[in-house]
Amino acid sequence: DQQVKQNSPSLSVQEGRISILNCDYTNSMFDYFLWYKKYPAEGPTFLISISSIKDKNEDGRFTVFLNKSAKHLSLHIVPSQPGDSAVYFCAASARYGGATNKLIFGTGTLLAVQP
Amino acid sequence: GAVVSQHPSRVICKSGTSVKIECRSLDFQATTMFWYRQFPKQSLMLMATSNEGSKATYEQGVEKDKFLINHASLTLSTLTVTSAHPEDSSFYICSALRLAGVSEQYFGPGTRLTVT
Repeated sequence: DQQVKQNSPSLSVQEGRISILNCDYTNSMFDYFLWYKKYPAEGPTFLISISSIKDKNEDGRFTVFLNKSAKHLSLHIVPSQPGDSAVYFCAASARYGGATNKLIFGTGTLLAVQP
Repeated sequence: GAVVSQHPSRVICKSGTSVKIECRSLDFQATTMFWYRQFPKQSLMLMATSNEGSKATYEQGVEKDKFLINHASLTLSTLTVTSAHPEDSSFYICSALRLAGVSEQYFGPGTRLTVT
């Protein structure tokens, strides 16, 4: 049972344009969401997070949007750069009322930014 | 930033042998470490939560007698794959929790295990 889903296995975007990566979840207990970037044969690197009390969090070129009613979040990267090419994982956690700090990962989206 | 290392980065072993993978937090103490497994083109699956000085907590479906976890110090956790089989071939990644916050989980570079 995949509680966190990334339905697009890959995405190709032109340099300078916006990249939008999507993530859906099913568990209403999740209250904290994170995005990680991963290169092949490396561990994930934390990018940005959002608490369920917010609907938007911005950090430089990266913005995460959360729609709790739809159980959907998205990561916007603008402008996209070739160095952004990697696999992006969303992850969710239920910090309260459950095991804290456990991360449930989505299946990842491979982003390719074309020069 | 916080650094987590894993050793070895890749290992090839024969069926029936055991393999130990080390996860170290190099510049911080981690009372909690996590072990994940990633199959090709799939998600990172949490295998177990390793707490320093106590028994690991395994996720449903993970055999604790096959995947032995030892968190003997605040900077080291080990995962031993016992009696390895080809289906155990995978990418194993650890993470270490620096502070009591979810975002403070730092990942190691991973270990590619191939069982022949």
